[in-house]
Amino acid sequence: GESVGLHLPTLSVQEGDNSIINCAYSNSASDYFIWYKQESGKGPQFIIDIRSNMDKRQGQRVTVLLNKTVKHLSLQIAATQPGDSAVYFCAEKGPGGYNKLIFGAGTRLAVHP
Amino acid sequence: DVKVTQSSRYLVKRTGEKVFLECVQDMDHENMFWYRQDPGLGLRLIYFSYDVKMKEKGDIPEGYSVSREKKERFSLILESASTNQTSMYLCASSLSGARGYTFGSGTRLTVV
Repeated sequence: GESVGLHLPTLSVQEGDNSIINCAYSNSASDYFIWYKQESGKGPQFIIDIRSNMDKRQGQRVTVLLNKTVKHLSLQIAATQPGDSAVYFCAEKGPGGYNKLIFGAGTRLAVHP
Repeated sequence: DVKVTQSSRYLVKRTGEKVFLECVQDMDHENMFWYRQDPGLGLRLIYFSYDVKMKEKGDIPEGYSVSREKKERFSLILESASTNQTSMYLCASSLSGARGYTFGSGTRLTVV
């Protein structure tokens, strides 16, 4: 909702620039990662995912990079648009067990004209 | 498209009330989850269910219980609402073996 973006790290970019949102994950054994986008007043929506046997995956205007050595995940958005303004969460899934995802705290992306 | 529907967008309840938050999904997903979302804390798992009548505690189950009598419906219950349970509550579902979740739009609960 509207208050989700408060107290979060904020990345401010100009419309048309590329955005990079970073995430440090916690479990070196996690084998699957997802980026979600949450717009004001809505639930999180799936953007892109990546398995631990990959280090890069591309979608439409988005790219996810995975660096397992330093447990780091990034989301790159090309030609950022005003509609990209939202809170972005990374999530990780550990091996085995139930399909439980662990979410990061999120980053707010603000796109300025 | 999978739909996860949360029955209320906004709720205001009084301290001590018993509160029910309802969630329904329409794609026969085995797994369902309840999260709460607070500014700066991200999403924290309260409870999840991997089958009808099955439930598992998440990271912050205290003060909550759940019910899953039918596969499509997962209810979160606040036995005696307290002001520290004021939050955004998000329901999600997924197939077993699948990885990503589909989320509902959330219920913003205020306890006064």
